[in-house]
Amino acid sequence: DAKTTQPTSMDCAEGRAANLPCNHSTISGNEYVYWYRQIHSQGPQYIIHGLKNNETNEMASLIITEDRKSSTLILPHATLRDTAVYYCIVRVTQGGSEKLVFGKGMKLTVNP
Amino acid sequence: GAVVSQHPSWVICKSGTSVKIECRSLDFQATTMFWYRQFPKQSLMLMATSNEGSKATYEQGVEKDKFLINHASLTLSTLTVTSAHPEDSSFYICSARGLAGMQFFGPGTRLTVL
Repeated sequence: DAKTTQPTSMDCAEGRAANLPCNHSTISGNEYVYWYRQIHSQGPQYIIHGLKNNETNEMASLIITEDRKSSTLILPHATLRDTAVYYCIVRVTQGGSEKLVFGKGMKLTVNP
Repeated sequence: GAVVSQHPSWVICKSGTSVKIECRSLDFQATTMFWYRQFPKQSLMLMATSNEGSKATYEQGVEKDKFLINHASLTLSTLTVTSAHPEDSSFYICSARGLAGMQFFGPGTRLTVL
């Protein structure tokens, strides 16, 4: 089972920052938080990941709370092409191997 | 990011036939590959994990004799759906993880069984 919970959906205006929340209250100390997104009928696209420090790359920023029980993905200037299902995933170790177990994700709709 | 390809991108087959889907990591060596399945309006469901040269490990409820996985090299894994039936129609997505630990996904293969 996925170890994360996200809102079902969110709307954002084009050009504004999109803040996507994620709860992972049962995360263990050495488990990373990953964010992927999936545009309709395509494979998931990697966005960013982190352990405990905030991270930033050319796509987004990841803010992880000090207790690591939640995180926020920030798209600084959302565009229409950012409309997608966003998955917040805690990589878990099951059966001796590390896996990405997807939850339901959150549908972000960027409006003109 | 690294590139993972899948072939074919879509396939239509008759019930009872077998279908093979290829997954390739184009610019890195994939020590581990994963196969997921996604039904309409649902999330990705992990089917199996395979390490190069080893037998695949299947998730609970996934029939290993129906979904044959071969990971013969560090850049190629194949999924064969044997004796396909309409309920096997789905979007099959592979993923590859290299030594750096990053996991990248292929574009998916749409399987339709008539």
